[in-house]
Amino acid sequence: GAVVSQHPSRVICKSGTSVKIECRSLDFQATTMFWYRQFPKQSLMLMATSNEGSKATYEQGVEKDKFLINHASLTLSTLTVTSAHPEDSSFYICSAREGSAALSQPQHFGDGTRLSIL
Amino acid sequence: EDQVTQSPEALRLQEGESSSLNCSYTVSGLRGLFWYRQDPGKGPEFLFTLYSAGEEKEKERLKATLTKKESFLHITAPKPEDSATYLCAVQARETGNTGKLIFGQGTTLQVKP
Repeated sequence: GAVVSQHPSRVICKSGTSVKIECRSLDFQATTMFWYRQFPKQSLMLMATSNEGSKATYEQGVEKDKFLINHASLTLSTLTVTSAHPEDSSFYICSAREGSAALSQPQHFGDGTRLSIL
Repeated sequence: EDQVTQSPEALRLQEGESSSLNCSYTVSGLRGLFWYRQDPGKGPEFLFTLYSAGEEKEKERLKATLTKKESFLHITAPKPEDSATYLCAVQARETGNTGKLIFGQGTTLQVKP
């Protein structure tokens, strides 16, 4: 149980292109989804938290106009990197959590998207 | 400021050589402590949740324990397939209902046959 699917797994595109990444919870309803960025040999850096049907909450220093997040349903969240540039190249990982935070349910992670901007 | 520190950064073991990974945390109030395993190029895989001091969880060769200041991940008689980066994360009470996690930097474990 608790499977999170993330697509695509790898994207290579030219500078200036917008890229959409999908994150789906396959066997549970995700009240909250999270988007992370991970640099080589470093830990996960939280970019934003999204709740179904409401605007995402972005962490300090993350450009909300650059990284558009949509959480349209309880099983799907998308991250769009707009007008991507080489410095946006990274490993992006989503996670999903069911239940309320009061119950401290674990986050379940997708397998990440390797984004390379040429 | 809430903080999570893992040690060591890297650990090399021979197959069968038991050891422990440490996760020290400083939070205003602990809601939960989580252990994850991450393989190269993959997302983290959930292992355990611990909620209160004295709690222990086990899964195959792994055992996680929790005190008021730290958590240990004990690996008994490890095998090469246990090689991975192990991440510790905490959820603090002050995060309210966001469910945000604070991650440590991870311990990269290599088990040689």
